[in-house]
Amino acid sequence: GENVEQHPSTLSVQEGDSAVIKCTYSDSASNYFPWYKQELGKGPQLIIDIRSNVGEKKDQRIAVTLNKTAKHFSLHITETQPEDSAVYFCAANAFGNEKLTFGTGTRLTIIP
Amino acid sequence: DSGVTQTPKHLITATGQRVTLRCSPRSGDLSVYWYQQSLDQGLQFLIQYYNGEERAKGNILERFSAQQFPDLHSELNLSSLELGDSALYFCASSNTFGEQYFGPGTRLTVT
Repeated sequence: GENVEQHPSTLSVQEGDSAVIKCTYSDSASNYFPWYKQELGKGPQLIIDIRSNVGEKKDQRIAVTLNKTAKHFSLHITETQPEDSAVYFCAANAFGNEKLTFGTGTRLTIIP
Repeated sequence: DSGVTQTPKHLITATGQRVTLRCSPRSGDLSVYWYQQSLDQGLQFLIQYYNGEERAKGNILERFSAQQFPDLHSELNLSSLELGDSALYFCASSNTFGEQYFGPGTRLTVT
């Protein structure tokens, strides 16, 4: 089955700097890669996703890149703000298999 | 607010007991997923229902079962509870594009 690895497990950045979180996946059939943000006491919130037919997608300060050859994808957050502090999860699934396999999460802390 | 609702928010029960967790999907979503989140196992897929039918199964224990009703709400039944079942249980629903939206979760504590 699919295996998703996520790095780093913790990340601290100064407010205004950029943060990058990286994930690798094992199943070459995977073609959908969402990112979730989870704040304390809340459910995971879908913040951005990418499908295998594109290499990059942006939404304001957030971008995701996908390298299908290397089987890795990354989340980029620019101009970080205190409200970006949370745990971020990457996930992957394959077309026809809607089960999401999650990475182990990255705890992002923005230092004011 | 994702539009997915879950009840109860918290549940404290004893070992050996049985509990039912409830989920209402977003309006228009036909698929419901259940996930378990624990500190040592992360977010683990349990089971998926689509329009009342079981669609996919993950690492769901035999003591656990689920169903989706005609009004599309879903229930996750956990029986013969053990201490290790203490976790957050999330429900998610998806639209035709497959994007999954999570509810606020139910925190289960087994004592």
